Amino acid sequence: GESVGLHLPTLSVQEGDNSIINCAYSNSASDYFIWYKQESGKGPQFIIDIRSNMDKRQGQRVTVLLNKTVKHLSLQIAATQPGDSAVYFCAENGSGGSQGNLIFGKGTKLSVKP
Amino acid sequence: SAVISQKPSRDICQRGTSLTIQCQVDSQVTMMFWYRQQPGQSLTLIATANQGSEATYESGFVIDKFPISRPNLTFSTLTVSNMSPEDSSIYLCSVAGDKNNSPLHFGNGTRLTVT
Repeated sequence: GESVGLHLPTLSVQEGDNSIINCAYSNSASDYFIWYKQESGKGPQFIIDIRSNMDKRQGQRVTVLLNKTVKHLSLQIAATQPGDSAVYFCAENGSGGSQGNLIFGKGTKLSVKP
Repeated sequence: SAVISQKPSRDICQRGTSLTIQCQVDSQVTMMFWYRQQPGQSLTLIATANQGSEATYESGFVIDKFPISRPNLTFSTLTVSNMSPEDSSIYLCSVAGDKNNSPLHFGNGTRLTVT
């Protein structure tokens, strides 16, 4: 069935280092992918998205890479800061259904050590 | 992006009772959705709240358990009926932009504990 999963459930990095959070997806029909950040006590916050006609997209301190060959998605955070500590979810739009039916991965907890 | 407000932000309820969660958006939106996030888990779509018609439920969720209202383009409610401890979760309202494949934006959720 459709599934979105993460290679690393937890990630601990030193402040200032770069972070890489990985995600595997199984539905080759997915053509839209999103990364969310969820801080404690808050809802998921949109970080960056990418469509399947691209393999890389950059934002402010963040880069998303999409490898459709191996169905892999990654989020790179440059110069990680304590404020980046949160749970990060990848999501895909699956093979159809409503626009709101995103399939979420299990989440990776990022801890930034000062 | 739209500002999404949910009430209550948290509640502790007794089993067998029902709780209605409200979601208010500061602008008119076509698409509104309700998600559930069980403790330590990821997010699962419950239903799409349709304005002027019955909500569309995902597999595993039924209207009798999770009745939804959508009276206008800025407001929706989700009721968790006849609650049991297994319903303890975060319930999240989300909205999408009008363009296809625009990202969902979420409220801060309602943290429900059923005792």
